[in-house]
Amino acid sequence: GDSVTQMEGPVTLSEEAFLTINCTYTATGYPSLFWYVQYPGEGLQLLLKATKADDKGSNKGFEATYRKETTSFHLEKGSVQVSDSAVYFCALSDSGYGGSQGNLIFGKGTKLSVKP
Amino acid sequence: DAGITQSPRHKVTETGTPVTLRCHQTENHRYMYWYRQDPGHGLRLIHYSYGVKDTDKGEVSDGYSVSRSKTEDFLLTLESATSSQTSVYFCAISESVPSTDTQYFGPGTRLTVL
Repeated sequence: GDSVTQMEGPVTLSEEAFLTINCTYTATGYPSLFWYVQYPGEGLQLLLKATKADDKGSNKGFEATYRKETTSFHLEKGSVQVSDSAVYFCALSDSGYGGSQGNLIFGKGTKLSVKP
Repeated sequence: DAGITQSPRHKVTETGTPVTLRCHQTENHRYMYWYRQDPGHGLRLIHYSYGVKDTDKGEVSDGYSVSRSKTEDFLLTLESATSSQTSVYFCAISESVPSTDTQYFGPGTRLTVL
């Protein structure tokens, strides 16, 4: 079945460092790809998404490009801040073909800690 | 912020007791979901609803049932709680087809089964 694999954490960076969190996926259909972020004590919230190959999602300085040839959707930010400390989840949703509702499948999450 | 509330926010119960968690939305969104979050597993879908009285199973539905009698409310019931159901439970909603639409999450319910 469909699955998402993201890099193990925790990731600890200094403020203003460059961030990459790797995410690869396996899917039989034509998935949409998402990054969700969970701040301490809160629910998840959408960070960015891409619905087709070569699309780039971006928000709050974060970017991710949907790469069909490498089945990847890596999250990047050029200069992280302490306020970016959170858990980041990569997720996919298939197209809903074949009777599927196209529900989200999440990776296990990557915890990011940014030190001042 | 999307209008999603979950109740209770924290609950401690004993093995074998029934437990019901409530998700309430004020957005009039069609789709509602229940997930559980466990260390090392990310979020896993328990059940979802695509309309009033229309529900279906997710990846980890064993031991759980749901009901949706009104658009705004989605109930998750553990008929006989077990220690393996100790988890953080999140409700989510989306306006349209989940394959491309954003899901909005509630604040979560931390359930401990002793």
